[in-house]
Amino acid sequence: NAGVTQTPKFQVLKTGQSMTLQCAQDMNHEYMSWYRQDPGMGLRLIHYSVGAGITDQGEVPNGYNVSRSTTEDFPLRLLSAAPSQTSVYFCASRDRGPYEQYFGPGTRLTVT
Amino acid sequence: DQQVKQNSPSLSVQEGRISILNCDYTNSMFDYFLWYKKYPAEGPTFLISISSIKDKNEDGRFTVFLNKSAKHLSLHIVPSQPGDSAVYFCAASSGGSNYKLTFGKGTLLTVNP
Repeated sequence: NAGVTQTPKFQVLKTGQSMTLQCAQDMNHEYMSWYRQDPGMGLRLIHYSVGAGITDQGEVPNGYNVSRSTTEDFPLRLLSAAPSQTSVYFCASRDRGPYEQYFGPGTRLTVT
Repeated sequence: DQQVKQNSPSLSVQEGRISILNCDYTNSMFDYFLWYKKYPAEGPTFLISISSIKDKNEDGRFTVFLNKSAKHLSLHIVPSQPGDSAVYFCAASSGGSNYKLTFGKGTLLTVNP
């Protein structure tokens, strides 16, 4: 099992550019989430999904889109990058029940 | 308004001693609490959790205590080891929605040899 994988590891964007952060898991988990971590802050939930075709907003959803067409993949799209979106992005997944979330290694994004 | 608070940004302890990391919460609807450990340039990894129906959960060197009346939980690491040096995040969820975690800002633990 690879667990939760994220690509790319690093990315630099110019203001206004768009891109997609990829996330995949091979554990057949139903639930997947995207978080961002900023310096001196905890992780904040951006969007989450409780199954293929079902997504919802978290605490800080503005400027991001998600979709979940398969159980395995949960991409995060930045529509028009802004410097405020400079952050480290983590994808996580978990199975049903009160089980822990498994996190990917993160994508460090810089928007200039 | 921060619902999960870790008021100590950092903690330094000697190898072999006890490390105590604290966490306070304000949302009385939280019913499940987790601790995550994070090394630089890696994703958080799950350490230990506790349901609100318990007041203590133990796993090897790690014990989490929950005081619901005080809305306070703590993580005890005994004995502390240099490999425990990392950022520790407290997280909480409510209503079985464990996919929606609210995190504290984290505490950087340094264990000195």
